Amino acid sequence: DAKTTQPNSMESNEEEPVHLPCNHSTISGTDYIHWYRQLPSQGPEYVIHGLTSNVNNRMASLAIAEDRKSSTLILHRATLRDAAVYYCILIHYGGSQGNLIFGKGTKLSVKP
Amino acid sequence: DVKVTQSSRYLVKRTGEKVFLECVQDMDHENMFWYRQDPGLGLRLIYFSYDVKMKEKGDIPEGYSVSREKKERFSLILESASTNQTSMYLCASTLLAERGFTDTQYFGPGTRLTVL
Repeated sequence: DAKTTQPNSMESNEEEPVHLPCNHSTISGTDYIHWYRQLPSQGPEYVIHGLTSNVNNRMASLAIAEDRKSSTLILHRATLRDAAVYYCILIHYGGSQGNLIFGKGTKLSVKP
Repeated sequence: DVKVTQSSRYLVKRTGEKVFLECVQDMDHENMFWYRQDPGLGLRLIYFSYDVKMKEKGDIPEGYSVSREKKERFSLILESASTNQTSMYLCASTLLAERGFTDTQYFGPGTRLTVL
């Protein structure tokens, strides 16, 4: 599976937007970009995913670079509940032989 | 909402004991997975199952076995617990077997197992 690179940690103020970057320069044409987050003492939680076009849902937005070698998860207004480790993962379409490879992710701290 | 539950949040066992970790999902999902999560190593897949009585090895199956007698229940068994199996164990499920790992995975809250 292709590898992703994320900053180890980021800080944000409450109510401000947060942009979490992810580099995936070796992405292949059929790799989906998935984001999960893990709150303290909980299992990972799905946030959003996309292939080529930008995506929006109730939790976040995903901006995908035109060359697909990077993407950005956008939390429009950070809340204290958004403090978590965010994982950017590439999943090969039809990849029943693959698995979710969670790297170290980005630990997001939100200050009141 | 999909709910994935795990039998225990915290478990302490002794070396050599047989340990059962239970996972139940309530949304008729076909795929179920067991991972372990360790600091610095991320999540690693132990076993997964795409149907009742079917199982596939993941990346680190040694020392573990699984059982899926009913669609909603997937059990992880540590035949003889060892201290290096101290870890956070996470169960997950996805809806459709043919979409494999591309489908959204729903995780349980995890079981923190300590083997003394």
